[in-house]
Amino acid sequence: ETGVTQTPRHLVMGMTNKKSLKCEQHLGHNAMYWYKQSAKKPLELMFVYNFKEQTENNSVPSRFSPECPNSSHLFLHLHTLQPEDSALYLCASSQDSAAGKQFFGPGTRLTVL
Amino acid sequence: DAKTTQPTSMDCAEGRAANLPCNHSTISGNEYVYWYRQIHSQGPQYIIHGLKNNETNEMASLIITEDRKSSTLILPHATLRDTAVYYCIVRVAEQRAAGNKLTFGGGTRVLVKP
Repeated sequence: ETGVTQTPRHLVMGMTNKKSLKCEQHLGHNAMYWYKQSAKKPLELMFVYNFKEQTENNSVPSRFSPECPNSSHLFLHLHTLQPEDSALYLCASSQDSAAGKQFFGPGTRLTVL
Repeated sequence: DAKTTQPTSMDCAEGRAANLPCNHSTISGNEYVYWYRQIHSQGPQYIIHGLKNNETNEMASLIITEDRKSSTLILPHATLRDTAVYYCIVRVAEQRAAGNKLTFGGGTRVLVKP
């Protein structure tokens, strides 16, 4: 176990649904990240939070809305997604955003119908 | 971030050392070399990192050439559980620096065979 948990592990949603992905880290870290991994493509960084402040938005469409209420929790709110948004969504944490040693959760496998 | 070049795939024999090469010929003086791996259907896992000197931990050894333009990750005794995609990444280690993101490329798909 890496100390980073993600729920749910699998999610199927329609294009008109609203859902949220949750990530929690038990490592006392101050930086948290969302990544997207589509089939046959490298991991793509989506968002970075450092001490609860969003420091990176990698040109992510507004139908993905992150929320970081405290340094231990990170959410990704989803609404009006497209089938091409189907992917593995990975959360990670690190001591701070300068640290390159990141701890990843197991991911949420999202399917948009 | 400097780009890295890795073989697309390689096979290794169980119990033997696995040597995974990475080229990073445009690496800057303040960029570290990181290695991660991703076992199928799991999140990536940190393995090791280094700046100039060779590094060793319980998982692997990292050998960086003197000119820092390439490196080799060594898994000393490969097991079937080491089958994964291995990523070599270079990044700066400063907060809010433009190059401090972990940029994952295609990696090397390593298959450890009995």
